[in-house]
Amino acid sequence: EVQLVESGGGLVQPGGSLRLSCAASGFTFSTYWMTWVRQAPGKGLEWVANINRDGSEKYYVDSVKGRFTISRDNARKSLYLQMNSLRVEDTAVYYCARDSMTTVNTDLFDFWGQGTLVTVSS
Amino acid sequence: DVVMTQSPLSLPVTLGQPASISCRSNHSLVHSDGNTYLNWFQQRPGQSPRRLIYEVSNRDSGVPDRFSGSGSGTDFTLKISRVEAEDVGVYYCMQGTHWRTFGQGTKVEIK
Repeated sequence: EVQLVESGGGLVQPGGSLRLSCAASGFTFSTYWMTWVRQAPGKGLEWVANINRDGSEKYYVDSVKGRFTISRDNARKSLYLQMNSLRVEDTAVYYCARDSMTTVNTDLFDFWGQGTLVTVSS
Repeated sequence: DVVMTQSPLSLPVTLGQPASISCRSNHSLVHSDGNTYLNWFQQRPGQSPRRLIYEVSNRDSGVPDRFSGSGSGTDFTLKISRVEAEDVGVYYCMQGTHWRTFGQGTKVEIK
């Protein structure tokens, strides 16, 4: 059974940093691109970043470029999101999702984690 | 940039009646490989999103056959043939052809 379990959320002041983790199981982690998606309170889904299978390619939504860094550890079957210079508008539930085996494919976003809440407030 | 526009944003439906959600893209979603990467997701209250439909019209495992997807190019539709109470939630379309973009979401509620 595919499982994605996020952790690392919490309350942080504006300008602060936080590192999210996503532990994967039930599939061969190293053969999939992985993604972070966020959802601000009462709002819709927003794709944040994704990373290819070996971590050599990373893509970001414009609003987080230069502040967030996506990474992965295939040996640990884990995905990460390092968030720096956090802003109030980054407050959201952050989900990790299985992206695709290639740049895009049938399995796109077929499994999601339960999410972890990040609150940026003074 | 690809923009996905859903309508309506709110959809009150009577139990047992059909429902239809539209999703339009400002660019064709036909990929260079010939496939169209348009997915539909359901998010029930308090839950994570769940994929219902992939590549326009293919239902995921365990998805009831009252859900169907259709469309091509830039215009797509999710239909629920007979709405049940468990279908309450927000539905999102998402394109994967030109990277990743979600629609704004359509909230389905029971009248």
